[in-house]
Amino acid sequence: AQSVTQLGSHVSVSEGALVLLRCNYSSSVPPYLFWYVQYPNQGLQLLLKYTSAATLVKGINGFEAEFKKSETSFHLTKPSAHMSDAAEYFCAVSQNTGGFKTIFGAGTRLFVKA
Amino acid sequence: DAGITQSPRHKVTETGTPVTLRCHQTENHRYMYWYRQDPGHGLRLIHYSYGVKDTDKGEVSDGYSVSRSKTEDFLLTLESATSSQTSVYFCAISDIQDGYTFGSGTRLTVV
Repeated sequence: AQSVTQLGSHVSVSEGALVLLRCNYSSSVPPYLFWYVQYPNQGLQLLLKYTSAATLVKGINGFEAEFKKSETSFHLTKPSAHMSDAAEYFCAVSQNTGGFKTIFGAGTRLFVKA
Repeated sequence: DAGITQSPRHKVTETGTPVTLRCHQTENHRYMYWYRQDPGHGLRLIHYSYGVKDTDKGEVSDGYSVSRSKTEDFLLTLESATSSQTSVYFCAISDIQDGYTFGSGTRLTVV
C-alpha cells in the first residue's frame, strides 16, 4: 500500500530564507511523486512531478524537489522565499497498478514573514 | 481552471436530502476523480472513473455514488446528506503520470 507523510503541518520562514517542506512516502512499486500548491479558495495546482527520469526535478515558481529512493523522500525546496509563496503544499504519490490512484499527504501550510 | 469546471461552487442543503455535484471536462481525459478536503486530512479519494460507465470506490466512498455516462461529465451524488459530509469537494482529471488538474471546488454545507 502506498502512503505519504508530510512532516510539519505548519512551516514559517522569513522572506528571502530557504524553504524546505518535507515529504516521505511508501510505495510497493516505483512511484510517481508530485507536489501541489493550494492558494486560498482555489483548487490544487501542480508544482512539479517525478516520473522516473532525473531525480532532481524543477518546477514552477522556483521550486525544486529531489527524489531519494534510499530515504524514500521527496522534499520540496526553494532557495529564497517570497511573500507570494504563502500557501498550502501537498505531497502526493501515485501508482499505476490497474487503476491510477493518487494518495495525498495531509498538507503543510507555509507562512512567509516580512 | 482551464478544461475542468465544477458546479455549483457553493451549496447549503438540509440533512437527509440528496445532492448532486457536477464535474465537466473539455480535455477528453480518461481518468476523473472526486476528492473531499477536510482540515487535517488532506484530500481523500471518494470515487474515481477510468472510462464511461467504469467507476470504482476510493477510501471514503460510503454515502456517495457516482455516474459517468459521457467522457466529459462525472457526477457525484450524496444519497442522503449528513453533517459529516460538510466539506469542500474537488474534481480532478488526469492523463496518468502527468499529474492532476483540479477544478475550483464545491463548498458544501449540510445543516
